[in-house]
Amino acid sequence: VHLAVSGGGVAQPGGSLRLSCVGSGFSFNDYEMTWVRQAPGKGLEWLVYISSSGNTKYYEESLQRRFIISRDNDGNAVFLDMNSLRAEDTALYYCLRGAVPGNYDVSTGYNHFDPWGQGTPVTVSS
Amino acid sequence: DIVLTQSPLSLPVTPGEPASISCRSSQSLLRTNGNNYLHWYVQKPGQSPQLLIYLASERASGVPDRFSGSGTGSHFTLKINGVQAEDVGVYFCMQSLQIWTFGQGTRVEI
Repeated sequence: VHLAVSGGGVAQPGGSLRLSCVGSGFSFNDYEMTWVRQAPGKGLEWLVYISSSGNTKYYEESLQRRFIISRDNDGNAVFLDMNSLRAEDTALYYCLRGAVPGNYDVSTGYNHFDPWGQGTPVTVSS
Repeated sequence: DIVLTQSPLSLPVTPGEPASISCRSSQSLLRTNGNNYLHWYVQKPGQSPQLLIYLASERASGVPDRFSGSGTGSHFTLKINGVQAEDVGVYFCMQSLQIWTFGQGTRVEI
């Protein structure tokens, strides 16, 4: 089981970046996916979630929908489109898979995550 | 949001000695199905976080049995029975009863 993350880099304030995460070694379309970030010197912050089919998405409210999650199950990939980037978006971004196949919500208790992909750094600076 | 508070934030350890990390939740993580939706991860230097314990006390696949999780409701503990040099890293708890939140992390160092 492996998650390969790409797309990080440097962006100017107000700019955009797209992160990609390709899964291998498992049946990608059976699993929820999510993105988490860790800003320098700070803790982990959950950002966005997408169900196995892509029909359900959750977003951390403070993102104000600047970030959009999507997935391509045929290509075994999940994407994070980051728009209107700000200096405070500078962080290491992780792609995570739900630990248990299927979809879970507040009525069942949410899934935990395993594995995590390698972090990809995003720097927002002029 | 559910707030998770870990203690201590830094834990110097001696190889072979036990170590313990606490994670307290701002509300109970116990559901009526009997599961506590609290999980433990470790981030070793230069690596991505990896799952250690899920549902408070279930050891993840491949995790050495010196790691154990306990607790219920809003107070949880991760114990390492005989720390080894390769256990250095940052340990953090995460809850999945509601939309996910993380503890601040505890740095374990020899």
